Amino acid sequence: DVKVTQSSRYLVKRTGEKVFLECVQDMDHENMFWYRQDPGLGLRLIYFSYDVKMKEKGDIPEGYSVSREKKERFSLILESASTNQTSMYLCASSYLAQVRTDTQYFGPGTRLTVL
Amino acid sequence: GESVGLHLPTLSVQEGDNSIINCAYSNSASDYFIWYKQESGKGPQFIIDIRSNMDKRQGQRVTVLLNKTVKHLSLQIAATQPGDSAVYFCADSSRGAGGYNKLIFGAGTRLAVHP
Repeated sequence: DVKVTQSSRYLVKRTGEKVFLECVQDMDHENMFWYRQDPGLGLRLIYFSYDVKMKEKGDIPEGYSVSREKKERFSLILESASTNQTSMYLCASSYLAQVRTDTQYFGPGTRLTVL
Repeated sequence: GESVGLHLPTLSVQEGDNSIINCAYSNSASDYFIWYKQESGKGPQFIIDIRSNMDKRQGQRVTVLLNKTVKHLSLQIAATQPGDSAVYFCADSSRGAGGYNKLIFGAGTRLAVHP
């Protein structure tokens, strides 16, 4: 079975702090994704990566950055956390982006609260 | 622009009844669709997918129907059980900037199963 793990289930940070969210997948997937999930808005794509050291902006990249130094690990970074970044963050991974088998496998999520 | 939406935010059914969750999409070029189930406190889980060259696909107790004429798809759950209580998302696969495929999610429908 595909397994996607996220470093924390719950996280509480203060405004202005630098926040790291880590995601690891064990299926040798090329692609990895970070979403945020807010009530009534569904899942919105923040960033994705299709290869090591490669990244692409999603729909809402402002205030975030990412890092992919190893194939299995994709990190989301909030350079200076703000209260409007309080949300559920979901990591996902999938096989080759350019093959139309785009099923993404999700981690359990990290609920981040910024005070 | 692209959008994937849902007709009903909440659906309540009796245990044992059949459930139908609907989804509309706007991108006529979409050719791959996925249904996900998200239980409380967990990440979305893949249920079933369908390609645009099909009208119907069946899984275990679930059936997805695709009507390309009206850009509508539905998820049917037979003999709904309490364990089916969750939020269900449809997602549309489209080719984003740079030629990489990405999923666009609807806001979700909450299915509540009553004994």
